[in-house]
Amino acid sequence: SSELTQPPSVSVSPGQTARITCSGDVLAKEYAYWYQQRSGQAPVLVIYKDTERPSGIPERFSGASSGATVTLTISEVRADDEGDYHCQSTDASSVFFGGGTKLTVL
Amino acid sequence: VQLVETGGGLIQPGGSLRLSCTASGFAVSTNYMSWVRQAPGKGLEWVSVVYSGGRTNYADAVKGRFTISRDNSGDTLFLQMNSLRAEDTAVYFCARTVPNALTHHPTHFDHWGQGILVTVSS
Repeated sequence: SSELTQPPSVSVSPGQTARITCSGDVLAKEYAYWYQQRSGQAPVLVIYKDTERPSGIPERFSGASSGATVTLTISEVRADDEGDYHCQSTDASSVFFGGGTKLTVL
Repeated sequence: VQLVETGGGLIQPGGSLRLSCTASGFAVSTNYMSWVRQAPGKGLEWVSVVYSGGRTNYADAVKGRFTISRDNSGDTLFLQMNSLRAEDTAVYFCARTVPNALTHHPTHFDHWGQGILVTVSS
């Protein structure tokens, strides 16, 4: 199946840790990728191949994988981490996204 | 690396529109390139990809109606959209796409344009 499921929303206070999950059968055999999208802006890649961080992305962002679930963890959350987070994976020549999770910093 | 989309706007159902994406800092012709869209208030939806060798693939929702192409002598990616429907209303992003070195299939998107709004309405 090519469906990816994310929680619609996650809320945390500044300085706390946010964890966003993404589940789907395909994740047991394919990598996951995570994008941050601030309001009105284009997505930005924050994690690739489940756990790798692109240059320029703070160490506060990390990824983990366990079976058919991947998790994006944001440590020491700041106000400017607020936005939508999208997981993404692939199935042969097709690409698909989860529904997105809105991270609210209280 | 920069990507700039143009060509969006308001179009009636059943109409056609062509989006363009101009790249700077790298060559469109030697990279994988994709279109991704986002309906108002919704998540991201992959639309289409063109491989560096010219192979193309489409999401089921647009197959047979949309065509991805590129200007091999320049740095421009296109999306020809025909038989447009209300559900095609979205911000359309072009994105440079990273291929899998073994399978040569697309994996993810490392650079995105700012997006262009397409509204299909009468």
